Amino acid sequence: QKEVEQNSGPLSVPEGAIASLNCTYSDRGSQSFFWYRQYSGKSPELIMSIYSNGDKEDGRFTAQLNKASQYVSLLIRDSQPSDSATYLCAVNLSNQAGTALIFGKGTTLSVSS
Amino acid sequence: DAGITQSPRHKVTETGTPVTLRCHQTENHRYMYWYRQDPGHGLRLIHYSYGVKDTDKGEVSDGYSVSRSKTEDFLLTLESATSSQTSVYFCAISPRPLTMNTEAFFGQGTRLTVV
Repeated sequence: QKEVEQNSGPLSVPEGAIASLNCTYSDRGSQSFFWYRQYSGKSPELIMSIYSNGDKEDGRFTAQLNKASQYVSLLIRDSQPSDSATYLCAVNLSNQAGTALIFGKGTTLSVSS
Repeated sequence: DAGITQSPRHKVTETGTPVTLRCHQTENHRYMYWYRQDPGHGLRLIHYSYGVKDTDKGEVSDGYSVSRSKTEDFLLTLESATSSQTSVYFCAISPRPLTMNTEAFFGQGTRLTVV
C-alpha cells in the first residue's frame, strides 16, 4: 500500500511568520510531488509542484524535495490569515496502466492576525 | 478554471439504492479520476481512467464501478448505496500522466448522503 504521511495539525502561526508543512511518502518510484490548498467546503487547488531534488520558489511559497529521504515540504513565508486552510501533499502513483495521485490526510494551518 | 462540472452537487439517497455521479469536462483531457473525501481520511482514490473505456481501480474501489464511453464523461456508480459511502466525491482531470509538468484539476465536488 503506497502511503503519503502528513501531520494533521492544526499548525498555528502568527501573521507574518513562516509556516512549515512536511510530508513523507513510501513509493520510491514517485516522480511528481504536489501541494494543494483546500479551503473549508471547497475543492483542492494546486499551489506548487516539484519534480527535482532541491528547492522551488513561487512568491511566498517554497517547496523542498529530498528523494533520498522521501520527504517533501512546503514553506509559506510572511503567512497571512488568508493562508488559513488545509494543505494536502500529493504524490504520483505510477503503474503500467497510467498514473494517479495519492494524497496525505492534510495539515490544517491557522494563521492568526 | 478548468471546465469540469460534477452533477448532482448534492444528493440524499436511501440505503440499497443505486446512485450515479457524473463528471463532465470540456478540456478534452485524457485522464480522469474519482476521489472521495472523509474527515480523518483525506482524499482517497476510487477509480481513474486513462482513456475512453480504459479504467483502473484505486485504493477504495470496493462498492463502486465506473464507466467512460466518451472523453468528456466519467461516471461513478454505487450499485447499492451504503451509509459508509456518505462522503464528498471529487472528480479530477489531467491532460497527461501525472509525471512531469502536469497538474490535476478538481471539480467542485458532490456531497452524497446515504440514509
